[in-house]
Amino acid sequence: GAVVSQHPSRVICKSGTSVKIECRSLDFQATTMFWYRQFPKQSLMLMATSNEGSKATYEQGVEKDKFLINHASLTLSTLTVTSAHPEDSSFYICSAPTGNPHNSPLHFGNGTRLTVT
Amino acid sequence: GIQVEQSPPDLILQEGANSTLRCNFSDSVNNLQWFHQNPWGQLINLFYIPSGTKQNGRLSATTVATERYSLLYISSSQTTDSGVYFCAVVGAAGNKLTFGGGTRVLVKP
Repeated sequence: GAVVSQHPSRVICKSGTSVKIECRSLDFQATTMFWYRQFPKQSLMLMATSNEGSKATYEQGVEKDKFLINHASLTLSTLTVTSAHPEDSSFYICSAPTGNPHNSPLHFGNGTRLTVT
Repeated sequence: GIQVEQSPPDLILQEGANSTLRCNFSDSVNNLQWFHQNPWGQLINLFYIPSGTKQNGRLSATTVATERYSLLYISSSQTTDSGVYFCAVVGAAGNKLTFGGGTRVLVKP
């Protein structure tokens, strides 16, 4: 089956530092990947769509200069949280479709729990 | 954008009981998935079911696309079924998976 690998699973960082999260599709290629954020006791909210070879598209209210997305290859997308603050503490999870995202199932990584102190 | 509503928000079951979770959506969909999020946050794919009925062990799901709802059935529930169940859809005009609010299930021994 399709496997999406996400690292790290957990990270604690100091306020003002940057954190990079990697998302890899292990056994399939993905021209599009999606980044979600989940606060405690809440649902998953889409942050941005990562497009291989082009700029990411961000959902309304998500700061593109704070959440840098790079999709340099067909199997890797990265999310960098820049100048992290305590309010950025959350669960970040990536996903990738095995085919056309319009009508293919999405497969999710195991998520990254970010704590900013 | 498309709206996704799940009910009930919370469900407490005695081990061995059956239950039905519902997902209503506001527009036509090309993709509908059910997930189980375990206590560690992992999202487990249960079903990809934009229409029709599927079964996998004690779980089954039915999507009636024309009436814009999907149902997830849990039979003979076990304590390991505890967690949050999410329904998520891609609207006919889009390519983004939108999640419902989830149903938090607790199965008591």
